[in-house]
Amino acid sequence: ETGVTQSPTHLIKTRGQQVTLRCSSQSGHNTVSWYQQALGQGPQFIFQYYREEENGRGNFPPRFSGLQFPNYSSELNVNALELDDSALYLCASSLDAGRYNSPLHFGNGTRLTVT
Amino acid sequence: DAKTTQPPSMDCAEGRAANLPCNHSTISGNEYVYWYRQIHSQGPQYIIHGLKNNETNEMASLIITEDRKSSTLILPHATLRDTAVYYCIVRGGTSYGKLTFGQGTILTVHP
Repeated sequence: ETGVTQSPTHLIKTRGQQVTLRCSSQSGHNTVSWYQQALGQGPQFIFQYYREEENGRGNFPPRFSGLQFPNYSSELNVNALELDDSALYLCASSLDAGRYNSPLHFGNGTRLTVT
Repeated sequence: DAKTTQPPSMDCAEGRAANLPCNHSTISGNEYVYWYRQIHSQGPQYIIHGLKNNETNEMASLIITEDRKSSTLILPHATLRDTAVYYCIVRGGTSYGKLTFGQGTILTVHP
């Protein structure tokens, strides 16, 4: 069974640039969600994708967007990067959005630094 | 989602049981209790979850009180590798499956 994989592991960008982070879900999982974790804080929910559509969103501005592909992999895009976007970005996969008995499994994240 | 309350930190001797408490007094009947842990610079690791009954797996045991207002995660024989931040999360209701993380409990296992 392949776990959740994320790429790249580290990334440095300049304020105002755009970034794309990638995630491959665990085999058999059809739901992907993204979380942002600032230093010293718990992860914060950004959004969730199920059947290639966003079906839930946290308190993040529209410059945070995503995609889910037919193979259930996903991308997180952030436009107009700000210094406060520096964080660990975590991807999690699960089976069937809203199926609360199905655990989320996380990747090890992408560490984004905005200078 | 119901809010959870955990102690900010706990210590445990290696080889002893670690008992991590969590209060979730506003939990609803269809909400699950989940436990995750996060070791520095890694993603959160799923440990265990339950609805009403006590649960056990190869990592830990979860004890949920009869009124479901609190729970305890038990690591039966803590090792140094169990040092991590442990998050107790209530999941369900209208949250379409998202996890709402609090500050968690920093568990330090001492030799």
